[in-house]
Amino acid sequence: NAGVTQTPKFQVLKTGQSMTLQCAQDMNHEYMSWYRQDPGMGLRLIHYSVGAGITDQGEVPNGYNVSRSTTEDFPLRLLSAAPSQTSVYFCASGDSPGANVLTFGAGSRLTVL
Amino acid sequence: KQEVTQIPAALSVPEGENLVLNCSFTDSAIYNLQWFRQDPGKGLTSLLLIQSSQREQTSGRLNASLDKSSGRSTLYIAASQPGDSATYLCAVVNQGGKLIFGQGTELSVKP
Repeated sequence: NAGVTQTPKFQVLKTGQSMTLQCAQDMNHEYMSWYRQDPGMGLRLIHYSVGAGITDQGEVPNGYNVSRSTTEDFPLRLLSAAPSQTSVYFCASGDSPGANVLTFGAGSRLTVL
Repeated sequence: KQEVTQIPAALSVPEGENLVLNCSFTDSAIYNLQWFRQDPGKGLTSLLLIQSSQREQTSGRLNASLDKSSGRSTLYIAASQPGDSATYLCAVVNQGGKLIFGQGTELSVKP
């Protein structure tokens, strides 16, 4: 089925460990983005990309890296996890950030101990 | 800095009631406004998108309005059903293309 696929769905890390959240879409969307959702704070934009090879920072980029080597994939890397990064992470894609609706993945729940 | 606020944070209504969810934003220079639905433990599903030049959009029992000058949008749900129970989020897209979300309204429709 066409859509946005996120892996893993759940992950527990220890402080200081690194990991990558994967995001893949098969709709040939140019725009991809990562959000984190915390209780009472809505969704906040971490990083986004408007096409392969192009990335930019959102509202809360610190502690996260991204790359966009292909149109389909937009991985989010935590180089040294901190308890403050405990959250639910959502990846979204669209033809463009504003003109069309975004398609969201099912989310990845990350706990950092 | 754009800020998006949704009131109320939670709402409980009996089945069949018509209801209104509110969304306000501080910077009227938006590209569009979107309403999303989120079921517990799930991702977001887009409900309605209103371009900055539009006043409203309708889809089935849902109607969303936009008043850019006052920085307000409402989502009207007619004849609510238990299946409408979910969290509803609004988000504005700034001219720079970034989506800024409100905190959401958690809706519970009782049978």
